[in-house]
Amino acid sequence: GAGVSQSPSNKVTEKGKDVELRCDPISGHTALYWYRQSLGQGLEFLIYFQGNSAPDKSGLPSDRFSAERTGGSVSTLTIQRTQQEDSAVYLCASSLVGNSEQYFGPGTRLTVT
Amino acid sequence: AQSVTQLGSHVSVSEGALVLLRCNYSSSVPPYLFWYVQYPNQGLQLLLKYTTGATLVKGINGFEAEFKKSETSFHLTKPSAHMSDAAEYFCAVTLNTGNQFYFGTGTSLTVIP
Repeated sequence: GAGVSQSPSNKVTEKGKDVELRCDPISGHTALYWYRQSLGQGLEFLIYFQGNSAPDKSGLPSDRFSAERTGGSVSTLTIQRTQQEDSAVYLCASSLVGNSEQYFGPGTRLTVT
Repeated sequence: AQSVTQLGSHVSVSEGALVLLRCNYSSSVPPYLFWYVQYPNQGLQLLLKYTTGATLVKGINGFEAEFKKSETSFHLTKPSAHMSDAAEYFCAVTLNTGNQFYFGTGTSLTVIP
């Protein structure tokens, strides 16, 4: 079956612009996660969606970051007024329930110039 | 609070030699433990997981890991390294009662021919 997909695969943007990153989870997966992976770093948790519950936004680094998940499926991560330190690979993952193994998408590589 | 420590950000082994990647965790309640592998320019792929039951778990590609509660460890091993094992490996923990995953900073494995 289809795995987690993310688009775009690469995004180059100018400092100060807004960007939207998209994640299509595996059908039927109720949990969806966003992570940020900077060069040489581990995975930094950003936000977690579980069904219709309020999302866990505790990992968002600033109010420039936001995410939504429409209809319990597709999710969009938005970064406003991008900064150079936002350059990273943004990974999305989904899972059947909150504490089962996650299935990761290939990531979106964001470069802020 | 939960955390994961991976000792050794870079590990080099000769082809055919034993692979040992270390992972220690801290958790106030029984954890679920995972190892993921990330090949260059790809997302993370699950290698193996421990939830309950047998403490020695076997995963894909000949890898296995043993949950040792007394040592709070979940080290990853493979008896004989193959060139194709060269990748980044991440240990992760979540709780049987929770949702958020905590990832280590990763170990980059190099296999020397």
